Amino acid sequence: SQTIHQWPATLVQPVGSPLSLECTVEGTSNPNLYWYRQAAGRGLQLLFYSVGIGQISSEVPQNLSASRPQDRQFILSSKKLLLSDSGFYLCAWISQVDVNEQFFGPGTRLTVL
Amino acid sequence: AQSVSQHNHHVILSEAASLELGCNYSYGGTVNLFWYVQYPGQHLQLLLKYFSGDPLVKGIKGFEAEFIKSKFSFNLRKPSVQWSDTAEYFCAAISYNTDKLIFGTGTRLQVFP
Repeated sequence: SQTIHQWPATLVQPVGSPLSLECTVEGTSNPNLYWYRQAAGRGLQLLFYSVGIGQISSEVPQNLSASRPQDRQFILSSKKLLLSDSGFYLCAWISQVDVNEQFFGPGTRLTVL
Repeated sequence: AQSVSQHNHHVILSEAASLELGCNYSYGGTVNLFWYVQYPGQHLQLLLKYFSGDPLVKGIKGFEAEFIKSKFSFNLRKPSVQWSDTAEYFCAAISYNTDKLIFGTGTRLQVFP
């Protein structure tokens, strides 16, 4: 069966520190992968999505970057965190064959102090 | 640009009242539309989806939504809400032309007994 793993579940980081959030999927191949940020009053904001290894589309210019080194791995990074990077980060995958087949990860709560 | 709008940010109802949450989308081409629910402290869950056919779709927990192409709308309805429906509701859309799943800003529903 298909699953999504995200870690860490929670993270508290100082301003200016680096960030690496990892998302891995199981039970599927060649999925479309997505990073979202959920912040109060802003819903789920699409940050990045990827249709394949090494292919990254950025939706919102900001302090973050994403990489897809393997088919089932999607990484969200930052070199220097800002206070405004605090939020709940959600990874998702959608089947390239059927867009109605979608799964969401458990999320990572990031607090930047 | 592709977008999804939810105009009701916070809705407060008494039990047994009827519910309608608005959702409008701006997309070119064929779209798939979704409603998700997020209960306090829980993951995102798919309530219902529309991809073709009957514009009135029924989902879990007594929810339904109507796709009106001429109005670019996909409103969520429930005839009689319960206290357990207290949650945040998100409308989302994905186009066959792109692979972007975009969410609205969400509607917080509070139901009082």
